[in-house]
Amino acid sequence: GDSVTQTEGQVALSEEDFLTIHCNYSASGYPALFWYVQYPGEGPQFLFRASRDKEKGSSRGFEATYDKGTTSFHLRKASVQESDSAVYYCALGDGNTGKLIFGLGTTLQVQP
Amino acid sequence: DPKIIQKPKYLVAVTGSEKILICEQYLGHNAMYWYRQSAKKPLEFMFSYSYQKLMDNQTASSRFQPQSSKKNHLDLQITALKPDDSATYFCASSQGGTNQNTLYFGAGTRLSVL
Repeated sequence: GDSVTQTEGQVALSEEDFLTIHCNYSASGYPALFWYVQYPGEGPQFLFRASRDKEKGSSRGFEATYDKGTTSFHLRKASVQESDSAVYYCALGDGNTGKLIFGLGTTLQVQP
Repeated sequence: DPKIIQKPKYLVAVTGSEKILICEQYLGHNAMYWYRQSAKKPLEFMFSYSYQKLMDNQTASSRFQPQSSKKNHLDLQITALKPDDSATYFCASSQGGTNQNTLYFGAGTRLSVL
């Protein structure tokens, strides 16, 4: 079945560091790809999405580019802030049912 | 104001009892979902409904029963509760239809089964 793999379980950075969280997917066709962010005690919040090859999604300084060749949708941010500390989830859309299939998540901790 | 309301926020239950988790959405969406989050399986899909009809069920146990009394409601009834059911349950909604829409999540109900 379709699946999403996030390589990093935890990432620890200092403010102004460059962030990369790797996301690879396995699915047929062109699934929509998503990034969500979750803060403690809250539900996942939609960050952005991309629906076709080479499309870039972005929000709040975060960005990712849909790459069908490498089946990837890596999350990047040029300069992280302490307020970016959260859990980040990559997801792919099941076009038949509308549900999202999530990766295991990556906990980002940013030190001031 | 939150557009997806989940009640209660916290719930404590005894093993063997039954509980209902409430979800209402005010986004005008046609599709609703339930997800479960625990330390073992973060954000695990359970059910999806579209126009009040079941679209997908990935929950092996019949102890979990979604209930859709109105288009913007999708409650989750859990019977014969077990300690393993302890988790945070998230409701979500999306536009629905044929395209892959973005899901929006509520704040969750944290269930503890003693």
